[in-house]
Amino acid sequence: ELKVEQNPLFLSMQEGKNYTIYCNYSTTSDRLYWYRQDPGKSLESLFVLLSNGAVKQEGRLMASLDTKARLSTLHITAAVHDLSATYFCAVRTNFGNEKLTFGTGTRLTIIP
Amino acid sequence: DAGITQSPRYKITETGRQVTLMCHQTWSHSYMFWYRQDLGHGLRLIYYSAAADITDKGEVPDGYVVSRSKTENFPLTLESATRSQTSVYFCASSDLYATTGKIFGNQPQHFGDGTRLSIL
Repeated sequence: ELKVEQNPLFLSMQEGKNYTIYCNYSTTSDRLYWYRQDPGKSLESLFVLLSNGAVKQEGRLMASLDTKARLSTLHITAAVHDLSATYFCAVRTNFGNEKLTFGTGTRLTIIP
Repeated sequence: DAGITQSPRYKITETGRQVTLMCHQTWSHSYMFWYRQDLGHGLRLIYYSAAADITDKGEVPDGYVVSRSKTENFPLTLESATRSQTSVYFCASSDLYATTGKIFGNQPQHFGDGTRLSIL
């Protein structure tokens, strides 16, 4: 059974600082997603990572994937208040279908 | 407008009642999913469908029923609601191809706005 763990679960950080959210998964997978969720809202896709060493960047967010270590990171550079949200990673469960297993999420709060 | 819509957005009902949550998508995506979101558990898959008339269980299917007679609709029914089914329910859809036809097999799931269900 695929397990996906994120850490930390809660993160408060000051504006302007850098930090990293980690996503570990327990079995081989070929696809990893990062989503953002604002309070009371839906989930918004941020990144799709397909291969070992993949790196994607959008603004102050950068995601990377190490399939050998079964680890993905979401790095936040020079945090701003607008990045406050809950971030989820999700891993495709099995080859040949589109089911995803989600991590429990990291609630990020950026403090002015 | 194109997209994925869920209804109702909010629902309060009593234990033992049947309730159906609706999900409609306009993209003609093959795959559709139902998740529940609870504090401390992230999103957990209830049921999913790979195409019309093809459905399968997810992680937490007990107490739920789904059907998919048309590609665009994927209703979720709680046959006899229990308090433990109080949750926020999200529907999602995805497909193997981008609309441009250029990308294969890596499209993210697109989520509806959710239904907040309270069972008293």
